[in-house]
Amino acid sequence: GENVEQHPSTLSVQEGDSAVIKCTYSDSASNYFPWYKQELGKRPQLIIDIRSNVGEKKDQRIAVTLNKTAKHFSLHITETQPEDSAVYFCAASIGNQFYFGTGTSLTVIP
Amino acid sequence: NAGVTQTPKFQVLKTGQSMTLQCAQDMNHEYMSWYRQDPGMGLRLIHYSVGAGITDQGEVPNGYNVSRSTTEDFPLRLLSAAPSQTSVYFCASSYLPGDSGNTIYFGEGSWLTVV
Repeated sequence: GENVEQHPSTLSVQEGDSAVIKCTYSDSASNYFPWYKQELGKRPQLIIDIRSNVGEKKDQRIAVTLNKTAKHFSLHITETQPEDSAVYFCAASIGNQFYFGTGTSLTVIP
Repeated sequence: NAGVTQTPKFQVLKTGQSMTLQCAQDMNHEYMSWYRQDPGMGLRLIHYSVGAGITDQGEVPNGYNVSRSTTEDFPLRLLSAAPSQTSVYFCASSYLPGDSGNTIYFGEGSWLTVV
């Protein structure tokens, strides 16, 4: 099956700085790549997604880039704020299954 | 809309006991799934369903059963609980099978401890 690797596992940034989280996937048939944010004790919630026919997508301070050739995609958060502190998961979808990365714990230091 | 509703939120089981985690959604979603979340392991798919009467195994199905008799409900059964099944369980649903790019909505989670 698909294998999704996510790095780094923890990330600390100063408020206002940018944060970048990277994921790689193994199966070139994967065609949908969502990112989820999970606050402590809460459910994962979708923050942005990208399909395989798109190279980049932005939503305010959040952007995702996809390199199909290299089989990697990244989440970019600009002008980070303390409320961005959470665990972020990437995922790759094939058929009826999603495969999740192991998560990145982001801490934004005020 | 209540969205995806899971019960119970917390449960402690003894090894060998059986139990059912309930999941219901009121969004008329065809696709429902169960994940377990363990520290450092991300979310791993246990079982999923693309419609009433249709279920299939995910990455980690051993020790769990599911059924989908209605569009709304997708219960997860632990047949004989083991300490390795201590985890947080999330039910999730979406309109179409996953690779159509539809948002997956998660329930609030069920914290299960097996002693």
